[in-house]
Amino acid sequence: DGGITQSPKYLFRKEGQNVTLSCEQNLNHDAMYWYRQDPGQGLRLIYYSQIVNDFQKGDIAEGYSVSREKKESFPLTVTSAQKNPTAFYLCASSPPDGSGANVLTFGAGSRLTVL
Amino acid sequence: KNEVEQSPQNLTAQEGEFITINCSYSVGISALHWLQQHPGGGIVSLFMLSSGKKKHGRLIATINIQEKHSSLHITASHPRDSAVYICAVRVEPGETSGSRLTFGEGTQLTVNP
Repeated sequence: DGGITQSPKYLFRKEGQNVTLSCEQNLNHDAMYWYRQDPGQGLRLIYYSQIVNDFQKGDIAEGYSVSREKKESFPLTVTSAQKNPTAFYLCASSPPDGSGANVLTFGAGSRLTVL
Repeated sequence: KNEVEQSPQNLTAQEGEFITINCSYSVGISALHWLQQHPGGGIVSLFMLSSGKKKHGRLIATINIQEKHSSLHITASHPRDSAVYICAVRVEPGETSGSRLTFGEGTQLTVNP
């Protein structure tokens, strides 16, 4: 079955460490997204990518970095510059705008805790 | 003020009750999504609407573009419906948020047996 796989599900990090969250999809979707979810707030967009080798900053990109070297993969690195990284991170993908599908598929999420 | 507002924030119901969750938005949109998030955190897309009404099983979603309002209804609610329900809008190009999704804060639904 097609879907999105995020790993790890839970991650603990010491302050000052960079960590990378994995997101892999086998849906042949062009667009991929990273969101952050905090209690009492709606999902906020960190980065998105509409096509391989291209990505754009979302609303809260500071302290994060991404790459899109393959269509299937969109890893997110949480750097030490991110001041409050403890959160639940969700990866999503969709077909390109205008394709008519408008299907948004989410991964199961990765919960990052900074100790 | 958030571009997408949901009400209520929390809702507790008895099994079998009819449930309504509301979503209002303040920007021009090309589509509205209703999503369901279970306690484990994974999110499932329930509906994508651009006009009218859609039905899937016990779930019904409606949208009024003129009033910038959508509702999600659950008929004959069941404890397994307990989850967070999230409204998200795809903002039209040219609006400040660009052609990306903007999410409401979610409505926590608890259905008791």
